[in-house]
Parts: sequence; C-alpha cells; structure tokens
Amino acid sequence: SQQGEEDPQALSIQEGENATMNCSYKTSINNLQWYRQNSGRGLVHLILIRSNEREKHSGRLRVTLDTSKKSSSLLITASRAADTASYFCATNGGYNKLIFGAGTRLAVHP
Amino acid sequence: GAVVSQHPSRVICKSGTSVKIECRSLDFQATTMFWYRQFPKQSLMLMATSNEGSKATYEQGVEKDKFLINHASLTLSTLTVTSAHPEDSSFYICSAALAGGSTDTQYFGPGTRLTVL
Repeated sequence: SQQGEEDPQALSIQEGENATMNCSYKTSINNLQWYRQNSGRGLVHLILIRSNEREKHSGRLRVTLDTSKKSSSLLITASRAADTASYFCATNGGYNKLIFGAGTRLAVHP
Repeated sequence: GAVVSQHPSRVICKSGTSVKIECRSLDFQATTMFWYRQFPKQSLMLMATSNEGSKATYEQGVEKDKFLINHASLTLSTLTVTSAHPEDSSFYICSAALAGGSTDTQYFGPGTRLTVL
C-alpha cells in the first residue's frame, strides 16, 4: 500500500522560480528518499535523508525532514526547464522495501 | 556504475499470452531486486521483492501465480506476466540493491511498457 501523500499533485512555475514539494508519510522510517522521473522513463535517485537528520543539501536541492510531523519537503531553487518531471518521495521503513508517495508533477516554463 | 537494464523496453502482446521481462544489474551483483508497477500518472506500487536463490515475496493483492518472478542469479531477475489481460497493461519497473549493502540505495531500471491488446 502507498505510504503517504504528496502535495501539490501538480506545480507549474516559471524558470528561475523555486519549487517546493511536500511529502507526508504514516509509519516510522529509517530514511526518506526523493526520486525524479521524466515522462515514461525510469527513476533517478536525487537525495536520501536519514531519520536522524533534519536537513540536507545537494546542489540546487534542499530536503527537510520532520519526523514528529511525519513530513518532508523538497525545494528546488532557481528552477530550469530541464527540471520538468515528476518527483516522488519514498520511505524506507527498514523492511527492505521502498514505499512511494503519489508524486508531484512539476512543469517549469521557459 | 550501478546500472540496471530492462528488456524489452516496450512490448505489445495479445490477451491470453505470457510476457517475460528481464531485469539485469550490469556492473554489480544484486542480492535483492524489486518489481514495481506504475499506471499512467500514478505512483509506483511495489509488487514483489525478489531474492536470489529463494522465492519472491509478494505484496498484498498481487497474484503470485499471475506474476511469476525468478531471481536465478545475482545479476538477473525476471518477471513473467502469465495469461496477460488488458488490465495488466502498465509500466513495469525493476530496481536492484547492492549485494552486501542495505536497501537504502536502489538502482532503477528504465522500465518496460506493456500493452495487452
């Protein structure tokens, strides 16, 4: 079963703007991961944040994790048209499997 | 490194036939592979966990006799959709976890689009 929800379901912004996506989950986790999927393609791993971490950066990506609220956010700064894709969070509860959120479809317009 | 391939990338078959999808880890050994299904504009749903040399573990609601999984080696897992029906049409994605490591990092294949007529 799916772990949680992501919002917004869809996000449309202009190049240069920041994009923020949120993910909520239901059970305890070991870590939470964010993935990107271009239309009709496989998944690309973006970033992993462990349950004892609160914030992590990778290039233009910033991920936060609030285990008390069971939520995470992904911020993409200075977005580019090439960032257009679907973004998924996935939780790893320690049972050797990832449970994916519903995803956010991001469209970045030139 | 850590490349996972899937074959075929897309397949069209007639209702009632069986289709086999291969998932290979090209440059690493994978003790565990995972199979997901994704319907259009939806998220990935885990179907089963495939462990080399043992029976696959299926998620609730996934018919093990319909979706046969074989993980015969540390670099290959196969998913066979038996007696396929139009409702089985979907995007099937596999992932592989490094042998000896945790499943914190999974490497995903490019997916296989199955269309059942």
